[in-house]
Amino acid sequence: DTGVSQDPRHKITKRGQNVTFRCDPISEHNRLYWYRQTLGQGPEFLTYFQNEAQLEKSRLLSDRFSAERPKGSFSTLEIQRTEQGDSAMYLCASSLAPGGSYEQYFGPGTRLTVT
Amino acid sequence: TQLLEQSPQFLSIQEGENLTVYCNSSSVFSSLQWYRQEPGEGPVLLVTVVTGGEVKKLKRLTFQFGDARKDSSLHITAAQPGDTGLYLCAGSFNNAGNMLTFGGGTRLMVKP
Repeated sequence: DTGVSQDPRHKITKRGQNVTFRCDPISEHNRLYWYRQTLGQGPEFLTYFQNEAQLEKSRLLSDRFSAERPKGSFSTLEIQRTEQGDSAMYLCASSLAPGGSYEQYFGPGTRLTVT
Repeated sequence: TQLLEQSPQFLSIQEGENLTVYCNSSSVFSSLQWYRQEPGEGPVLLVTVVTGGEVKKLKRLTFQFGDARKDSSLHITAAQPGDTGLYLCAGSFNNAGNMLTFGGGTRLMVKP
């Protein structure tokens, strides 16, 4: 399977703990995106990378959130001092741009529950 | 702030019926995607439309992009239980292909 993969699929953590999620994009895709989706809503953009450069960050991405893509391949999203409001599905997507169609392909997501 | 409105939010129909889902914005899209999402999974891309007035067909699904590129519709003919899911429209409002803005989704249930 050469689609976008995310790990873990589910994470339960206690309030105040740090968590880290990983995303592996489609291998030839140079852009990688993070979105957050709460129950009953559409996904909301958090940030994106082109290769290893983080080019845009949403206001939703508070200073407790940090994302990296050190070698322009996989990416990690870390949430420090988790709060109950962080409970959501965290989705990763990748695309080929410029020169590609900009279509974003999503992974299966990481479901975070903060107790 | 660009907003995408989807309607209806919920739709419950019998197998064999037809349905249409709408996606509207006050801003012009440079491109628009439709996704389907099942519980606990990520959205799966169905189609991308770029040109005003464009119509694309995917088996029993017909996607239309408005002439002014501010709205789109998804029509399903003879719905089947396998069509059940959350249908999301997502627009890009510039040509840089960076962030997508999603609508709130239409949750479709097709009963056998």
